[in-house]
Amino acid sequence: SQQGEEDPQALSIQEGENATMNCSYKTSINNLQWYRQNSGRGLVHLILIRSNEREKHSGRLRVTLDTSKKSSSLLITASRAADTASYFCGAGYALNFGKGTSLLVTP
Amino acid sequence: GAVVSQHPSWVICKSGTSVKIECRSLDFQATTMFWYRQFPKQSLMLMATSNEGSKATYEQGVEKDKFLINHASLTLSTLTVTSAHPEDSSFYICSAREPRGGSDNFYEQYFGPGTRLTVT
Repeated sequence: SQQGEEDPQALSIQEGENATMNCSYKTSINNLQWYRQNSGRGLVHLILIRSNEREKHSGRLRVTLDTSKKSSSLLITASRAADTASYFCGAGYALNFGKGTSLLVTP
Repeated sequence: GAVVSQHPSWVICKSGTSVKIECRSLDFQATTMFWYRQFPKQSLMLMATSNEGSKATYEQGVEKDKFLINHASLTLSTLTVTSAHPEDSSFYICSAREPRGGSDNFYEQYFGPGTRLTVT
């Protein structure tokens, strides 16, 4: 199974600022997926990026993928307090996750 | 996106009893579902892959006789925690793959809301 490892472990920003978090994985993939988890809740699917894509947008989210470096980044623009959550990346057939990035957006 | 439900949302049971957790894909058929557990402030740990009509594949270190998985239909997988003990208390989350077709087996994986199990 693949392992996604996110960094930083935690990030605190103010509303309106951008938040960037990174993900690294170990072996070749067909696609990589980003998820959000609010405390005590399930994971919400944010975006999937395929291995032949370099960048993908969805609303305020921008995901990049660098297969040569086996890394991906998630950018949240113009952050809001409601974006406060943990963010995970997953890759491979059966998604394995790192500890995630805990994002805190303060008003 | 696709919807995955879990039942119950939370359960408290006595040590030694068994608990069944259901995972349903509501608007798509899922030949493959996955079961995870998550301890507080930790990552999700994959427990097993549940395949419709066949035996589940368990990750290393997960006791298959303790965590019974049944995937009897294309929309339902169940996880039964047998003879539960306090150390089994955790947040259990299932996910299901929604196939999107295409030559590269393109799919998205959707997660249920989780079931919080507390064993007293």
